[in-house]
Amino acid sequence: KNEVEQSPQNLTAQEGEFITINCSYSVGISALHWLQQHPGGGIVSLFMLSSGKKKHGRLIATINIQEKHSSLHITASHPRDSAVYICAVSSFTGNQFYFGTGTSLTVIP
Amino acid sequence: DSGVTQTPKHLITATGQRVTLRCSPRSGDLSVYWYQQSLDQGLQFLIQYYNGEERAKGNILERFSAQQFPDLHSELNLSSLELGDSALYFCASSVWAGQGWAEQFFGPGTRLTVL
Repeated sequence: KNEVEQSPQNLTAQEGEFITINCSYSVGISALHWLQQHPGGGIVSLFMLSSGKKKHGRLIATINIQEKHSSLHITASHPRDSAVYICAVSSFTGNQFYFGTGTSLTVIP
Repeated sequence: DSGVTQTPKHLITATGQRVTLRCSPRSGDLSVYWYQQSLDQGLQFLIQYYNGEERAKGNILERFSAQQFPDLHSELNLSSLELGDSALYFCASSVWAGQGWAEQFFGPGTRLTVL
């Protein structure tokens, strides 16, 4: 069983659509992270959350600690948002990191 | 550009061989993390060093070892290589003020192919 589950695995959207990617986890965590991996392979850290909600530009990340669930929203999606989005958690003890398998997003012009 | 550098970019070698991957963290970052990304397993945490000391260990095989040097660069050594070790190996660095994952900055990765 994976400690972190993401859905959907693949997502295709039209430019301008509102996108939601979901992440559920089964371990106690100190924080949850959303990463973006570009087609060339580079990884960028988007958000680190331990509670509530964070917003950066068109990206919004939320977390519900009681339900062990997080969502990443992209408003007014754009082809440059096409990437793999990975949810990761750092364990409550702080010394283990677990990753979801990623959501591959394609935004069509 | 994250400021984290990894060398080499690509590495092709044969089964049974030994390779060393190198990572230089961002200036001022004391913590270095190593990750493996393979097609079938996704991203996996291998090991973390902070200021030269091992701080956390993940799914790192006994054939793999790492160290962080006084100048804070780190090396990941992979020995007795198997076909299944073919993967992208990422290094990341952070200031790391406490437990867990402070914001990490990822290097571009080293793509290892074992033939």
